[in-house]
Order: sequence, then structure tokens, then C-alpha cells
Amino acid sequence: AQTVTQSQPEMSVQEAETVTLSCTYDTSESDYYLFWYKQPPSRQMILVIRQEAYKQQNATENRFSVNFQKAAKSFSLKISDSQLGDAAMYFCAYRSTKAAGNKLTFGGGTRVLVKP
Amino acid sequence: GAVVSQHPSRVICKSGTSVKIECRSLDFQATTMFWYRQFPKQSLMLMATSNEGSKATYEQGVEKDKFLINHASLTLSTLTVTSAHPEDSSFYICSARPLSSNQPQHFGDGTRLSIL
Repeated sequence: AQTVTQSQPEMSVQEAETVTLSCTYDTSESDYYLFWYKQPPSRQMILVIRQEAYKQQNATENRFSVNFQKAAKSFSLKISDSQLGDAAMYFCAYRSTKAAGNKLTFGGGTRVLVKP
Repeated sequence: GAVVSQHPSRVICKSGTSVKIECRSLDFQATTMFWYRQFPKQSLMLMATSNEGSKATYEQGVEKDKFLINHASLTLSTLTVTSAHPEDSSFYICSARPLSSNQPQHFGDGTRLSIL
């Protein structure tokens, strides 16, 4: 079974600065998807960014980018120019490409605090 | 973008009551929907995978008779918490994935269930 680990329970960042959230995963599959979701206090789950394992290029969405290291099974998220609205829980998630395994496996989450 | 509607957003009821939560995909069809449970300050735990026209697949440790799932159409799945007790109080979130296999899951806004 796949597992996802987020080793940082909480990270603090100054407004306008950069913060990097770590995520590692364990799988025996070669093709899969990785995601970062944001959960603000409203508890909505908002997709931040996704990465397909067969793509070597790191995904980028505006101020959010990932560092995908497939061999190391690492998928970190970098938030640049942090804004107050970035304060939330961030969850890393794994999804198999196999039809029977389309469920998401989540990491434990990292709380991001943004200091004004 | 794809929208998932979850209703109700908040339920407070007495112990012994059965509670039904609906999850609807508003602008896409979903053969598969997922039900998660989230305890305070914890990650999302998958409870079951809801399959249109067939029985749901439950995760280990989840009581099938306690958490009844029905997925009668391509746009609606329901979770019924039967004879709810205070320990069933939690935040329940559903998600749905469009038929196209490379699309990400879209989440409902969740249901906060409180059993008195």
C-alpha cells in the first residue's frame, strides 16, 4: 500500500517570503499522480498543484511550484511571495493510475502560518 | 470548473438518529465518488469508495452497516450514518472524479456532524 509522509506539522513564514513544504511517499508503481491540496479554515479542499510521475518537468502554478524527485520519492511544494491568504493546512496526496486505485492517499498535513 | 455539492453543511442531532449526507456532481458525471472522514487537526481518512450501480468498497475498519452508501446515479452518492452516536461526530467530505481518468478529484465543502 502506498503511504504519504509530511514530516513538518507546522511551518511559519514571513509575508512575501518563501516557504517549502516537504512530502515523501512510498510506492512500487512507476506511474502515478501527486497533488498538493490546500485546506483553509473553511475546510474546503482546494487543489493547488498536480504532477504526473511520467513528466520530468516540475509543475508550476503562479506562486506555487514543486520539486519532484522521482528516484527519491520526494514531492516538495514551494510557496513564493507568501500572502496572508496562503495560511492553511496543506496536504500532499498520491493517486495511482490503475483503475482500481483511483483513491487519494493523503499525508498528515502541514499547517502554514503567515506572519504579516 | 467542475463542482461538487455536498449537503447539508452542518447537522446537529440526538444520539440514535440516522443522518443522510448527499454528494452531487453538478456539471459532470462520476462513476466513482469517495467519502472521507476528518477528525480535528488530522488528515482526511478514506472511508469508502462509492461505485455507481454497484456496492461500495469500504476501507478496513469502517463498518458497512454503520455507514450506508448508495450511488444510484452518475451524479449522486449518499452516505447515511445509521443510529449515530457521539463518537460519530466528525467532519465528512465527499469527492468525485470526472469520467476522464486523468482528471483530479473535486471535493464537496464537507458536512460537520455533531451528535449530542
